[in-house]
Amino acid sequence: NAGVTQTPKFRILKIGQSMTLQCAQDMNHNYMYWYRQDPGMGLKLIYYSVGAGITDKGEVPNGYNVSRSTTEDFPLRLELAAPSQTSVYFCASSPFQGDYGYTFGSGTRLTVV
Amino acid sequence: SQELEQSPQSLIVQEGKNLTINCTSSKTLYGLYWYKQKYGEGLIFLMMLQKGGEEKSHEKITAKLDEKKQQSSLHITASQPSHAGIYLCGADIWNSGNTPLVFGKGTRLSVIA
Repeated sequence: NAGVTQTPKFRILKIGQSMTLQCAQDMNHNYMYWYRQDPGMGLKLIYYSVGAGITDKGEVPNGYNVSRSTTEDFPLRLELAAPSQTSVYFCASSPFQGDYGYTFGSGTRLTVV
Repeated sequence: SQELEQSPQSLIVQEGKNLTINCTSSKTLYGLYWYKQKYGEGLIFLMMLQKGGEEKSHEKITAKLDEKKQQSSLHITASQPSHAGIYLCGADIWNSGNTPLVFGKGTRLSVIA
């Protein structure tokens, strides 16, 4: 099925460990986004990309890195995991801003202990 | 500060009752998007409003945009258990064509028999 695929669905990390959250879309969308969702706090933008090779910081980028080498993939890297990064992470894509809503992945639930 | 305020934060309604969720922006709205999130899942796009006075419906869900008040309301008629979930509003408050949406904190809806 076409859409946004996130892996893994669940992960437990120890403090200081690193990991990459994968996000792939097969809709040829130019725009891709990473949000985190904390309980009762809505969605906070981490990073976004308007096309391959172009990324920009969102509201809460500290502790994260991204790359966009292809249109399809937009991985999110956590270098030194901290308990404050315990959250649910959502990747989303859109063809462009405007009349289209975002297509969201099903999320990655990350716990840092 | 939170650009989008949703009210109420949570809502419990009896099956068959009507309900309204509000989303108010502190900045000019250039587009307002409604999403639904089932517990533990990703966000599903419901509808998008762009013009003041615009009203859209999807099954038993109707959304309106009041440009003067910078507010959107989501109304569910004759609620059903399938309507339960978290409703989030997202908004384009920059009108730049590139800047990602900001989201409210969500309204958690429970429908009881």
